[in-house]
Parts: sequence; structure tokens; C-alpha cells
Amino acid sequence: RKEVEQDPGPFNVPEGATVAFNCTYSNSASQSFFWYRQDCRKEPKLLMSVYSSGNEDGRFTAQLNRASQYISLLIRDSKLSDSATYLCVVNTGFQKLVFGTGTRLLVSP
Amino acid sequence: DGGITQSPKYLFRKEGQNVTLSCEQNLNHDAMYWYRQDPGQGLRLIYYSQIVNDFQKGDIAEGYSVSREKKESFPLTVTSAQKNPTAFYLCASSIGQPGYGYTFGSGTRLTIV
Repeated sequence: RKEVEQDPGPFNVPEGATVAFNCTYSNSASQSFFWYRQDCRKEPKLLMSVYSSGNEDGRFTAQLNRASQYISLLIRDSKLSDSATYLCVVNTGFQKLVFGTGTRLLVSP
Repeated sequence: DGGITQSPKYLFRKEGQNVTLSCEQNLNHDAMYWYRQDPGQGLRLIYYSQIVNDFQKGDIAEGYSVSREKKESFPLTVTSAQKNPTAFYLCASSIGQPGYGYTFGSGTRLTIV
């Protein structure tokens, strides 16, 4: 079983739609969680950290469910500029982050 | 502005040649990392270093070597022993333990011709 698993997509949504991605992780001792955004042929950039209580940043909401070992990202009112690959990232406590393979989002006019 | 600089952006080398990718950071971060990304795949860890003069192998270290002589610099050498070196290479750094996430460089795209 992979340490971090994501649905690769692509998720095709129209502008203005709400879309949600899930990610599961296998190590119950994992300590911190992140969502990164990666544009085509570019480096990943930190979108947001994920806290146990859930957190929101504008149109983006991240949730963590430790009991079920999954993380979610909700994007409301999708924009064309949201088209990218979203990487689920987990700190398993072994001095390094583990990256999921990413979920591709395509927002169309 | 603080950040991580990777150079060059694109690199072409003949098969059988060693090549060194540069990674420099001015963020005063203790830890640095090298990842490899292949098309349609996730990031795979090659090597990482928590402090100067110390580094550990990641999941795919075979055919690669690194050094960490200065806090700011973490060069990666792709040797001729690496079977399939064509890929996108990403360098990252973090304050210490990666609990705050990584900052990435803009990457080097290596093509073996």
C-alpha cells in the first residue's frame, strides 16, 4: 500500500463549480499535513497546511480526519487559474515529507 | 529576496557522462532535499541532509551522489551508473524538521541524449 494515495483525476469542472479532493495516508503516526499546488512543468508550491480543526483560506478549505486517515481539499467557485495538479503531502515523522502522486484539476470556461 | 536557486534550468548530457546539478539557498534552512519527478508520477526522494557534512539516502539513491560542505549548498551528481536519468529534478529546503513544509527551487530538467 502506498504511504499517500490520491485519485489522479483529471477532474473536469466548469468555472464557478465546487470540487473536492481526498487523500488517504497509511501511517497513523503522521504528524503534519499539507496541500501543494503544481503547475505544468513547474515546482510545487505550498497551498495550505492542514490542521486537525480544519482550516480555510479564501475559497479553499482543508480538513483532516485522523480516525479515518484522510485529508480533503475543497475548492469553491473554481477559477480557470485553479487548473493545476494538487499534491497531498504528509510528514510521517521520519525527517522527510511524503508526496502523493497528485490530482489533476481542469477548470473550463 | 530569500529563496532556492537551481541551475541550470535545462541540461543536456550524453549517455555515460556524470553531471552535477546545483542547488543554493539563502533561507538559512538547516535541511535540504533532492527529489526526482517523472512524467505523470509523484516526487521520489533521492537524498536529504539535515545538517552540514551529513546526508542520508532516500528511496532512489542508486546512481546519485551528494555533498553538503556548506549550509547553503547541496549539489547533486547524476552518475553514469544511473540507468534512466532523464527527469525533472527538484531541490527543496526546510527550517529543520519538515513540520512547516518545504520551499522548492524551480527545478532542473535533465535530458540524456
